[in-house]
Amino acid sequence: GQQLNQSPQSMFIQEGEDVSMNCTSSSIFNTWLWYKQDPGEGPVLLIALYKAGELTSNGRLTAQFGITRKDSFLNISASIPSDVGIYFCAGLKSGGGADGLTFGKGTHLIIQP
Amino acid sequence: NAGVTQTPKFQVLKTGQSMTLQCAQDMNHNSMYWYRQDPGMGLRLIYYSASEGTTDKGEVPNGYNVSRLNKREFSLRLESAAPSQTSVYFCASSETRGGTEAFFGQGTRLTVV
Repeated sequence: GQQLNQSPQSMFIQEGEDVSMNCTSSSIFNTWLWYKQDPGEGPVLLIALYKAGELTSNGRLTAQFGITRKDSFLNISASIPSDVGIYFCAGLKSGGGADGLTFGKGTHLIIQP
Repeated sequence: NAGVTQTPKFQVLKTGQSMTLQCAQDMNHNSMYWYRQDPGMGLRLIYYSASEGTTDKGEVPNGYNVSRLNKREFSLRLESAAPSQTSVYFCASSETRGGTEAFFGQGTRLTVV
C-alpha cells in the first residue's frame, strides 16, 4: 500500500516549547488529516486540510497542506503536558475511494518537566 | 453521544480459537472501517464497507472476515486466531465514501497466545 513518511518518530521537549512534525509522500493526496492518540484511546481528529496550500489553525495547533499535495506539517505552539501522545498524519488519495485513509507511523511527543 | 463503540476492550485468545469483534456507530455514517495498529507500523486498513451491504479488502485482509450487519454495525471475525494477529484493533466510521474525517472507537486490545 501507499506509504506516508512521518517525522520525527519521537520528540522529547520541554513544556512551553514549540513542536513541528511533518509527513511526506511520493503520491498526491486530496485531503490531509492530523490525528492525536492518547494512551488506551482511539485517534481523535485535530485538523483537516482540503486544499493545496491551505493553512488551518485549531487553537495552538497549525497545519498546512503542501502546495505539491505530497506533504503536510503540523505545528504545536507553547506545548503543555496534555499535548503528550502520538500524532498521526493521514492522507486521502487523489480520486477519493472508499478504502479509507493512509496513515503515517506516528510521532511520539513526550514533554519533559 | 457515544460515537463509535467497540466491544470487547480486551481479549486473550489461544491459537486457533475464533472470535468476533463488534463495532457500532450512532452517527448515521455510510462508511465503516477496521484497522489494526502495531508498534512502529501505524494504522493499517484490514477491511472497509463503503455502504450498507458492501465490503472490500484493505491493505492487510488475510485471516479476517467482516460483516456489515446493517448501517450501524460492522463486525470483524477471526476464524482461527494466530499470534501474528496480536494487535490493537480500531473500528472507524465516516460520512463519505472517501474516509474523510473518520471517527474512531476506543480500540480492542487482542492477544493471541
